[in-house]
Amino acid sequence: AQSVTQLGSHVSVSEGALVLLRCNYSSSVPPYLFWYVQYPNQGLQLLLKYTTGATLVKGINGFEAEFKKSETSFHLTKPSAHMSDAAEYFCAVSDQGGAQKLVFGQGTRLTINP
Amino acid sequence: NAGVTQTPKFQVLKTGQSMTLQCAQDMNHNSMYWYRQDPGMGLRLIYYSASEGTTDKGEVPNGYNVSRLNKREFSLRLESAAPSQTSVYFCASTWAVVGNQPQHFGDGTRLSIL
Repeated sequence: AQSVTQLGSHVSVSEGALVLLRCNYSSSVPPYLFWYVQYPNQGLQLLLKYTTGATLVKGINGFEAEFKKSETSFHLTKPSAHMSDAAEYFCAVSDQGGAQKLVFGQGTRLTINP
Repeated sequence: NAGVTQTPKFQVLKTGQSMTLQCAQDMNHNSMYWYRQDPGMGLRLIYYSASEGTTDKGEVPNGYNVSRLNKREFSLRLESAAPSQTSVYFCASTWAVVGNQPQHFGDGTRLSIL
């Protein structure tokens, strides 16, 4: 069965600093990969997704992620953190076949220090 | 646009009581999902409905039942609530049952079982 590991349940950065949130998946066959963001008391919103093609994926709010098959990773980055980026971030995968059953990582809570 | 609407937003139950969580989407999506979110565990799939008229178990189906009432609505029922079912429940929907279409989430139902 698929599994997703997000390294670090809490990440804290200063405003203007680089944001790096790590995600590794277990499948030997490249799955579909997603990053979602959750603001307090809200549902999840899609940040970006990787399906096929270009390995560097750009999303909303200045975030991007790079798919590295050799490392089974899909880390999320943003060059310069903003206070509004404070939220919980989830990496998720689904197999290319089947009913798009998402498997989520445990989440990383991002705190931005002024 | 409403997107995915969940009712109620909050609920407190006593052990052994039953209740139904409602979910409706207005995006003409084919597939719908129920997840539970627990601290440090990300989101876990309870049940899903790939298309109207079908339902299937996810990762954690025990203690729950679902009904795909029509294309718009997908309900989750707790027949005899247990404290272990205290959680935040999210409904999601997506257009395509396979592939890379992102899921759209409701704002959640916060359920406490005493």
